Amino acid sequence: GDSVTQMEGPVTLSEEAFLTINCTYTATGYPSLFWYVQYPGEGLQLLLKATKADDKGSNKGFEATYRKETTSFHLEKGSVQVSDSAVYFCALTGAGTALIFGKGTTLSVSS
Amino acid sequence: GAVVSQHPSRVICKSGTSVKIECRSLDFQATTMFWYRQFPKKSLMLMATSNEGSKATYEQGVEKDKFLINHASLTLSTLTVTSAHPEDSSFYICSATNPTGGPNEQFFGPGTRLTVL
Repeated sequence: GDSVTQMEGPVTLSEEAFLTINCTYTATGYPSLFWYVQYPGEGLQLLLKATKADDKGSNKGFEATYRKETTSFHLEKGSVQVSDSAVYFCALTGAGTALIFGKGTTLSVSS
Repeated sequence: GAVVSQHPSRVICKSGTSVKIECRSLDFQATTMFWYRQFPKKSLMLMATSNEGSKATYEQGVEKDKFLINHASLTLSTLTVTSAHPEDSSFYICSATNPTGGPNEQFFGPGTRLTVL
C-alpha cells in the first residue's frame, strides 16, 4: 500500500542554519504531497503542498519539490528560526482518500 | 476560512465511562471528515472516514463498537469512545475536506487530549 518515509529525528539546529528534512513515498498513481507542521500543544497546520510532478510548494520560507523520478518531497529552509521548532509531517493522498502520514520529524532550533 | 473546531480540547474520565468528542467545520460544509489518533512521538493513525448521512468506514484494526462515529450533518461529526480504558488515552484529531478548497486538502481540528484513569 501507499506509504511515506521521513527521516528520523530529532533534528537540532542553531538559528539561521539550513534545514533539510527528507521524505520519500511509495504510491500507486499520482498522489498529492503535503508537509504539515504541528507546533507544541497545537493541531496540524498545512505548511505547503504539491499536486503534480515538478511542482514546488512554498510557504514561510519553506520549500519542497515534487520529484517523481526519485519519489521524494524533501522539505528545505535556508535559515531556520527558533519559532520553527515543531514537528513536521510529510503526507500524501490520492483522490478522495485520507492522508497517509510519515512518522514525523521533530525540529528543535536554538538561539 | 476553512476552520475546524473540536470539543472538548481535553478530557479526563474514569475507566469504563464513555466520552464524546465533537468535530465541527465552522465556515464550510464538510461532506467528508476523518478521525485520527496520535500516539506520543508517533504519527497520526487514520481511524475512520466519515461521510455525512452514511456509516463510517473504519480502518483495519479499529473497533467499530468501541469508537462510534456519527456524521449527522454537513458541519458536525462525533467520535464516542465507549467504555474507555487507560489504553485509549491518546490525542484524537479530526479533519475535514472543503469541497470548495484545493484538491485533497484537509483542514485539521486542534485535537482532543483524552486521559482515561
